[in-house]
Amino acid sequence: QVQLVQSGAEVKNPGASVKVSCKASGYTFIDYYIHWVRQAPGQGLEWMGRINPKRGGRDYAKNFQGRVTLTSDTSISTAYMELSSLSSDDSLVYYCARESGRSGDDYFDFWGQGTLVSVSS
Amino acid sequence: DIQMTQSPSTLSASVGDRVAITCRASQSISRSLAWYQQKPGKAPKVLIYKASSLESGVPSRFSGSGSGTQFTLTISSLQPDDFATYYCQQYNSYSWTFGQGTKVEIK
Repeated sequence: QVQLVQSGAEVKNPGASVKVSCKASGYTFIDYYIHWVRQAPGQGLEWMGRINPKRGGRDYAKNFQGRVTLTSDTSISTAYMELSSLSSDDSLVYYCARESGRSGDDYFDFWGQGTLVSVSS
Repeated sequence: DIQMTQSPSTLSASVGDRVAITCRASQSISRSLAWYQQKPGKAPKVLIYKASSLESGVPSRFSGSGSGTQFTLTISSLQPDDFATYYCQQYNSYSWTFGQGTKVEIK
């Protein structure tokens, strides 16, 4: 069965960077885009970007360009999201999600369990 | 960027009720719309894609309709497991945005 398992909660100082991992299993990792989405507790969902593990291509949301870096390691079927210059506004839950393989339908069919990032001095 | 607006923000209903949640896009997205259900502390789960296609394993009491800028998620007979927050998401033209969510509460 398809699973996306994310790394554990992080506590960071303002100005630091955080790197969250998302390990995929149960499918061929390189055949599907991986997206990253974040959410404040009890609030809405914000798309950050996506990566194509096969070709390495990336698309970033305008709000995050220059501050977020998406990478992947195909040898261990893992995607990564690194966010720099952290502030208290970045204290959110971060999700990875798999883009559906249905042609023309780029919704998210499987999600990771979420990683809480806390930014505090 | 395409903005998605859901209504209502909160909906109070009883088990067995028929409920409808609407989602409006700021410009036409054809049928590139998905609906997700999220429960506290959990990741979202897809219910509907392409505006009206039921994701595998999702109960048939969930249905979606609409195209262009106006969309609706309908639950035909609300069950105890359906009390949750629902989000619409557009995936048109290589951008992805979500509505602000609709919380379905027990009346």
